[in-house]
Amino acid sequence: EVQLVQSGGAVKKPGESLRISCQASGYTFTDYWINWVRQVPGKGLEWMGRIDPRNTFTAYNPSLEGHITVSIDESSGTAYLQLRSLKASDTAIYYCARQRNGFDGLDVWGRGTVVTVSS
Amino acid sequence: SYVLTQPPSVSVAPGKTARIPCGGDNIGSHHVHWYQQRPGQAPLLVLSYDDHRPSGIPGRFSGSNSGNTATLTISRVEVGDEADYYCQLWDPASGVFGGGTKLTVL
Repeated sequence: EVQLVQSGGAVKKPGESLRISCQASGYTFTDYWINWVRQVPGKGLEWMGRIDPRNTFTAYNPSLEGHITVSIDESSGTAYLQLRSLKASDTAIYYCARQRNGFDGLDVWGRGTVVTVSS
Repeated sequence: SYVLTQPPSVSVAPGKTARIPCGGDNIGSHHVHWYQQRPGQAPLLVLSYDDHRPSGIPGRFSGSNSGNTATLTISRVEVGDEADYYCQLWDPASGVFGGGTKLTVL
């Protein structure tokens, strides 16, 4: 079964950093890009960034560039999203999702990681 | 940056046809993907490349894309179709989502 299993939720303080993981199984990890999408409670979806595991090419939402980093560990089939200098506005559910190539839809999603940023 | 515009809500009676528009500048020159999100769940891809249904998606879901509007059409709407629906495209390296449309089945 194809799955993306995400790390558990976290509560952070403003200014802290956070790394969320997304472990892939059931398919060849390097055959699919991994995307990160977040959703503020009660709001819509926001695309954050993505990585091609074949060559670690990354692309980011211009509004988040410098605030996030997407990376992978090919040996474990895991993708990571790092967020720096957290703010209350980063409170959201964070999803990872895969796509076959750069123009495909996101066909498999993780269940989401709840992140709360509060002092 | 590219903007996709969706109406906040659409209502339809069971058994009828729901049409959810997604507006964007010359959106017909892009490929549009559609996602369904039920409360408390992750999004689910229901249409890719304007009108292609992934495995497991009922034939009641169809799509079109021309000019400045892409449309998700759900025929013979069921209560279980009640959800938020998002359009999405690549511009070209960045992902863009519409604001989402809440489909209410009356």
